[in-house]
Amino acid sequence: KNQVEQSPQSLIILEGKNCTLQCNYTVSPFSNLRWYKQDTGRGPVSLTIMTFSENTKSNGRYTATLDADTKQSSLHITASQLSDSASYICVVGTEAGNNRKLIWGLGTSLAVNP
Amino acid sequence: DAGVTQSPTHLIKTRGQQVTLRCSPISGHKSVSWYQQVLGQGPQFIFQYYEKEERGRGNFPDRFSARQFPNYSSELNVNALLLGDSALYLCASSLTGQVGSNQPQHFGDGTRLSIL
Repeated sequence: KNQVEQSPQSLIILEGKNCTLQCNYTVSPFSNLRWYKQDTGRGPVSLTIMTFSENTKSNGRYTATLDADTKQSSLHITASQLSDSASYICVVGTEAGNNRKLIWGLGTSLAVNP
Repeated sequence: DAGVTQSPTHLIKTRGQQVTLRCSPISGHKSVSWYQQVLGQGPQFIFQYYEKEERGRGNFPDRFSARQFPNYSSELNVNALLLGDSALYLCASSLTGQVGSNQPQHFGDGTRLSIL
């Protein structure tokens, strides 16, 4: 069964600290992996998209890694800011012939405190 | 440039009523996808439309329907509303219809639907 699992479910850190969010997936065949940031009451905003051949991609203070062999991804946030408080969702794309889907994780809720 | 716009932002309905939600994609984008997001969970895929044709359908009952217009805007209709339909309904647009491909999706801020 295609699944995306994220950990931790929630996280509290102090402003200025770094953190790493985890994503494990059992999606096959694999097409791509995305990380989204979703502020409360807003739509998700794309942070990174990685294909099978990419093992790291950065977007400012956000760096995503992908290990396609172990089917794991991480999102590292450097020097956190209060505005980083949001839900971070891992999404895996699968593509088998004409059947293409996006499998969504439940997200990690991050709170950055002053 | 305007992003994905959805209307209305909030809506309150009662059980059994019908509702229509609207979405305007980013200019030049030809694909629109609809998602339902219940509080505390990730978005659940409902429909995808590309060039006015349905390209994908999630596991939702026939009470849910959608269409895409020649200007690529889209409407999501839900009939016979149930309490469980209370959720944030998100619309996402992308350049092409390749759901699951490397094409990024751009989301609107959603319509918050509450069923009393």
